[in-house]
Amino acid sequence: EIVMTQSPATLSVSPGERATLSCRASQSISSNLAWYQHKPGQAPRLLIYDVSTRATGISARFSGSGSGTEFTLTISSLQSEDFAVYYCQQYSNWPPGRTFGQGTKVEIK
Amino acid sequence: QVQLVESGGGLVKPGGSLRLSCAASGFTFSDYYMSWIRQAPGKGLEWVSYISSSDTTIYYADSVKGRFTISRDNAKNSVYLQMNSLRAEDTAVYYCARDYCSGDRCYYIGYWGQGTLVTVSS
Repeated sequence: EIVMTQSPATLSVSPGERATLSCRASQSISSNLAWYQHKPGQAPRLLIYDVSTRATGISARFSGSGSGTEFTLTISSLQSEDFAVYYCQQYSNWPPGRTFGQGTKVEIK
Repeated sequence: QVQLVESGGGLVKPGGSLRLSCAASGFTFSDYYMSWIRQAPGKGLEWVSYISSSDTTIYYADSVKGRFTISRDNAKNSVYLQMNSLRAEDTAVYYCARDYCSGDRCYYIGYWGQGTLVTVSS
C-alpha cells in the first residue's frame, strides 16, 4: 500500500497570507494526486486533480505542484472560507486501493 | 446537480449489523463507479469499498473484508453498504461518493455525500 504523509498536521495562518501544505508519497505516484477540502459537517470537495488541474468552480487561489513523491498545495491569499482540513489522495496503484493522507488543518492564526 | 444522500446510520451494539443506503440523483447513475469512504472520530479518510457501474469490479479495504458487502441497484439509483459483525473501530461518518473513472481506470472522487454517522457501542 502506498502511504501518504501530510505535513504539517495543523497550519495557523492569518487571513490574506499564503498557506503551503505538503504531501509525500511512500513511493513514486507520478502525477496521480488529488487534493480535497473538508469543512465540518459538510461533504468533502474536490479541489485539484492530476497534481495541478483545478476542479470546476475552484478559485485560482488554489494551486498544486510536484511530481513523483513530493507534492504541494498552495493557497495564495487565505480567505475566511478557506479554513478547513485538506487531504491529498493518490490514485497511482489502482486497482485496487487508493489512499488518503491524514490531513492538514488550516486554522485562523 | 449531482446529489448523494446517505441514510441508515445510527447506534448499534458490537457484533450487530447495519445497512447504509445512498440515493443518487442528477446524473446517469448506471454509468459510474460508486464508493463508500469513512472517517473515524479524529482520524483521516479511509476508502472502505467501491463497486463498478455493472457490479463486475468490487473492492474492500482489508479492515472490512468479509464483514461488509457493497451492492447497487441501478434501477433505483442507489448504492448500499451492508455492515455485519460491527466493531467499535467501525465507528465513523460514512460517505457515499461518486468516482471519476475513465474506462476501467478510476482516479479520484468527483462528488461526495454529506455522510451518515455510524456508532458501534454497547
